[in-house]
Formats: sequence, structure tokens, C-alpha cells
Amino acid sequence: SQQGEEDPQALSIQEGENATMNCSYKTSINNLQWYRQNSGRGLVHLILIRSNEREKHSGRLRVTLDTSKKSSSLLITASRAADTASYFCATDASSSASKIIFGSGTRLSIRP
Amino acid sequence: KAGVTQTPRYLIKTRGQQVTLSCSPISGHRSVSWYQQTPGQGLQFLFEYFSETQRNKGNFPGRFSGRQFSNSRSEMNVSTLELGDSALYLCASRATSGGDASYEQYFGPGTRLTVT
Repeated sequence: SQQGEEDPQALSIQEGENATMNCSYKTSINNLQWYRQNSGRGLVHLILIRSNEREKHSGRLRVTLDTSKKSSSLLITASRAADTASYFCATDASSSASKIIFGSGTRLSIRP
Repeated sequence: KAGVTQTPRYLIKTRGQQVTLSCSPISGHRSVSWYQQTPGQGLQFLFEYFSETQRNKGNFPGRFSGRQFSNSRSEMNVSTLELGDSALYLCASRATSGGDASYEQYFGPGTRLTVT
């Protein structure tokens, strides 16, 4: 089974609006990452947040992490058509940092 | 630097056959991981190789195997193919030193395998 589950499974918003995606995971982690995938292609790394961090920013991306709730959120501000993609969270089990497990993903569609 | 390359990009095989997929990591990356992506199961971790050794393994049957060569290139083999093995197979490489950057995975475009 997946380490992470994402919510919602699909999200459709108007261009310019903000998009928020959530990820929940099951076991203790060293860090959590977010990736983007366009149309069944390879994934692209977006941002990494360590288990001792609560919030991190990168351009229009803002990631939060709540280890007590085992959850993370990804906020994309001022969305653009090019943001249309699937977004995945990925976690490593703290006992095995080399095994990175992906969530089920959120499919984001930006309407022009 | 050239990105992660995977060959072939598309493959059609028949049930019972075997298949070998290849992955060339980014130069200098010694870790290579393989994932299977299907609409029903999502992205599932197959295994990770580092310095020619399998360092971690997902929950897949023994029909799925892999190896890594001294130049870090990796191959994945699936024997006795089943219809359910139809999927996008993704390979990812990462550096293994360098703080947070060592966790970041660089993905190839994938090999789309169809089993008929």
C-alpha cells in the first residue's frame, strides 16, 4: 500500500487562483518531497521539506509539514495553465532513507 | 549534464515473454531506483541499486529483478509477463552526497510496457 495518500484526487481551478493539495502519510519520516508529473512523463522534483521544518517556500510554492498529524500541504499561488499536472508527495521511512514512497497524487487542472 | 535516459520508450510484449528495460543515470549519480506506475496502483517502488548492490526492495514478486553495472547504468527484468505488468516503468537517479540534494530524484521519461 502507498505510504502517502493525497487529497483531493482531482482539483480544477481558474487560472490565477491558488491551489492547495494535501498529503497524509503513515510512518515516521526523514523528509517529505513534492513532485510534478505532466501527462504520464517522468516526475520533476519541486521541493523538499525536512522532518524538523514546518514550512518552506520556493517561488510560487509553499509547503507545510505537520509531523504530529503526519500530513503535508502544497500550496501553488497565482496558478497558471502550465501548472496543469499531477502532483505527488514522496516520503522516506526514517528507518530506510533510500526507500522513497510516493502518494497517490492529485490531478490539478487549471482553467483559462 | 544529460538527464536520465531510458530505453526503449515503448514496448509491446506477449504474456509469458520476458523483457529487459535499461536506465542510464545522470553522470555521477550512483543510486538508481525503479518504479512501476499504473492507473490503479499509482507509483510503486520496485527497488533501488547503489554501487551495484540492491539496497532496498518493494513488494513485488521475484519475476521482477534488476541489476546495476559498474558505470551505474541499471537494467530491470520482468520474466513470465502477465497482463497486469502493463505499466509505465520509471527509473530515477540521485546523488548520494550533498545534504538535501541527495534525496532529490531525477526521473527518466519512462518505458511504456504493454503486455497483450
